[in-house]
Amino acid sequence: NAGVMQNPRHLVRRRGQEARLRCSPMKGHSHVYWYRQLPEEGLKFMVYLQKENIIDESGMPKERFSAEFPKEGPSILRIQQVVRGDSAAYFCASSPLSGSPPNEQFFGPGTRLTVL
Amino acid sequence: QKEVEQDPGPLSVPEGAIVSLNCTYSNSAFQYFMWYRQYSRKGPELLMYTYSSGNKEDGRFTAQVDKSSKYISLFIRDSQPSDSATYLCAMIKAAGNKLTFGGGTRVLVKP
Repeated sequence: NAGVMQNPRHLVRRRGQEARLRCSPMKGHSHVYWYRQLPEEGLKFMVYLQKENIIDESGMPKERFSAEFPKEGPSILRIQQVVRGDSAAYFCASSPLSGSPPNEQFFGPGTRLTVL
Repeated sequence: QKEVEQDPGPLSVPEGAIVSLNCTYSNSAFQYFMWYRQYSRKGPELLMYTYSSGNKEDGRFTAQVDKSSKYISLFIRDSQPSDSATYLCAMIKAAGNKLTFGGGTRVLVKP
């Protein structure tokens, strides 16, 4: 059973370009979460999605960042007009269900974004 | 003030020693507590998941939760060089979905 898959693993962009990060959840998981890990900082929640729905985007920057989880295909985190401060590791996690108690979140290997 | 505080380390111990890690938190709304292990340039791996005060044991790992003190701990017995990693505590509020992480403690187990 494959784990959470993310691609690309490394992404280099110049300032002003767009970055697209992809996440395929574990088989049977319908909930996806995106987290960002800045250098020398812990992981910070960005957004929580179910298929075709954004449930909680309270951690997303107001501008340039968007996320989707279409009915078919992977979840996408899109960063428009990247700046150097966007350089970070972006992790995707998935869980099978929501509710109480919260389900375990399983993390992918991350995408390391470098903005030149 | 951060919601979850964790000493960044590094914590260096000899092989076979007990590793003791802890986190404090300020928000009593946190009800579920996890410990993740993260190797360099890898994704976090879930080690322990607890939701009540007390101890939970799994192999060489023991997680403790003290909700009255807002304090959680992870103990690693008989530590191995392969345990060298960053350990992250994380927690979720009741009926919540987003993990709030501590900054991580870097652990080095020397052979």
